[in-house]
Amino acid sequence: QLQLQESGPGLVKPSETLSLTCTVSGGSISSSSFYGGWIRQPPGKGLEFIAAINYSGITYYKPSLRSRVTISVDLSKNQFSLTLSSVTAADSAMYYCARQYYDVLTGYYYFDRWGQGTLVTVSS
Amino acid sequence: DIQMTQSPSSLSASVGDRVIITCRASQNINNYLNWYQQKPGKAPKLLIYAASSLQSGVPSRFSGSGSGTDFTLTISSLQPEDFATYYCQESYSTPSLTFGGGTKVEIK
Repeated sequence: QLQLQESGPGLVKPSETLSLTCTVSGGSISSSSFYGGWIRQPPGKGLEFIAAINYSGITYYKPSLRSRVTISVDLSKNQFSLTLSSVTAADSAMYYCARQYYDVLTGYYYFDRWGQGTLVTVSS
Repeated sequence: DIQMTQSPSSLSASVGDRVIITCRASQNINNYLNWYQQKPGKAPKLLIYAASSLQSGVPSRFSGSGSGTDFTLTISSLQPEDFATYYCQESYSTPSLTFGGGTKVEIK
């Protein structure tokens, strides 16, 4: 059973860079069907897609966050990572990593496996 | 960006009720529409993908329909474990992948 686990600091100072890692177990991320994605959820609010990457390094980002976000993959560790620069209080949220399954036959994408989430607070 | 509008934003219902949640896209997304359930303190769970395909392990009381801009999630007979917040998400406009604002289903 594929499992995902987020890790990273729970507290980041304003203007600094947030770095999170998602470790995948129970399966390989080196699959044409696997995209590793990051989604966040501010307290009491809805879900926001941030970015996704596949094993070959194909990436896509939410346009409004693109200038501050970098997503990367480490196949040797079965991990993918997110950095978000110049953070403000508005970036405080629960951050989830998830597998975005890509059906190569139909072209459908959906987030079918999620980590438990990690709460990040931006505060001095 | 595609905008996804869910209605209602919240509803109260009783066990056994039929519940319908709607999601409207600001442009045609064919059937690139997914539904998720989220319980407090938990990660979202995929219920429906491609507008009407039931994810493995999800009870058959959940169903999805629609195409183009208008979609619905139906719970045929609400169970105690179904009280949660439900989100739609379009997967048409990579890279944006916008979620709807959510519908909270509460106990009447």
